[in-house]
Amino acid sequence: QKEVEQNSGPLSVPEGAIASLNCTYSDRGSQSFFWYRQYSGKSPELIMSIYSNGDKEDGRFTAQLNKASQYVSLLIRDSQPSDSATYLCAVNRANTGTASKLTFGTGTRLQVTL
Amino acid sequence: GAVVSQHPSRVICKSGTSVKIECRSLDFQATTMFWYRQFPKQSLMLMATSNEGSKATYEQGVEKDKFLINHASLTLSTLTVTSAHPEDSSFYICSANHRGVNQPQHFGDGTRLSIL
Repeated sequence: QKEVEQNSGPLSVPEGAIASLNCTYSDRGSQSFFWYRQYSGKSPELIMSIYSNGDKEDGRFTAQLNKASQYVSLLIRDSQPSDSATYLCAVNRANTGTASKLTFGTGTRLQVTL
Repeated sequence: GAVVSQHPSRVICKSGTSVKIECRSLDFQATTMFWYRQFPKQSLMLMATSNEGSKATYEQGVEKDKFLINHASLTLSTLTVTSAHPEDSSFYICSANHRGVNQPQHFGDGTRLSIL
């Protein structure tokens, strides 16, 4: 079992729709959770971080965390073609985002169609 | 703006050349930085953790004599790919945690290394 699992996609959604990206993790000791966006040929860019159960909203993005189910998701509302990228889920055992290594999923490729 | 700077962005060189990549934390001190490698259409793979003032911690399967890491100051870590060969061609990315509580890792822009 992989430590962090994501569906590789591609996930195709029409412009204006909600894109739902999912991630499961195996380490119950995980306490910090991150979503990164990576455009082709570029380095990852932080989109959202979440540390406690529930929802966290930032603009069009909402991260959802359920530690009991070991599940974290990212919702993108009003999807735009510029959202087309690979979204990486990352997990950290530390609870303060301190300098300990992240475990990444393989990423989900999102395609927003016109 | 960027919090982690990486240089150079692209390197093309002959087989057998050693290549040095720099990673700098901008306006903050990073006692720990991370080096990743990413092959086309694959996920990030952590190569090593760079520790200021001490030896780097390498992930399993990464040759420490091949990938030399130096973290001599609180704002600079370097990765040197020694005697690079075509199979070392990849996208190398560094990261560091920004200062403060609950600050996640931020990535440099990456270095695309092509060995001919």
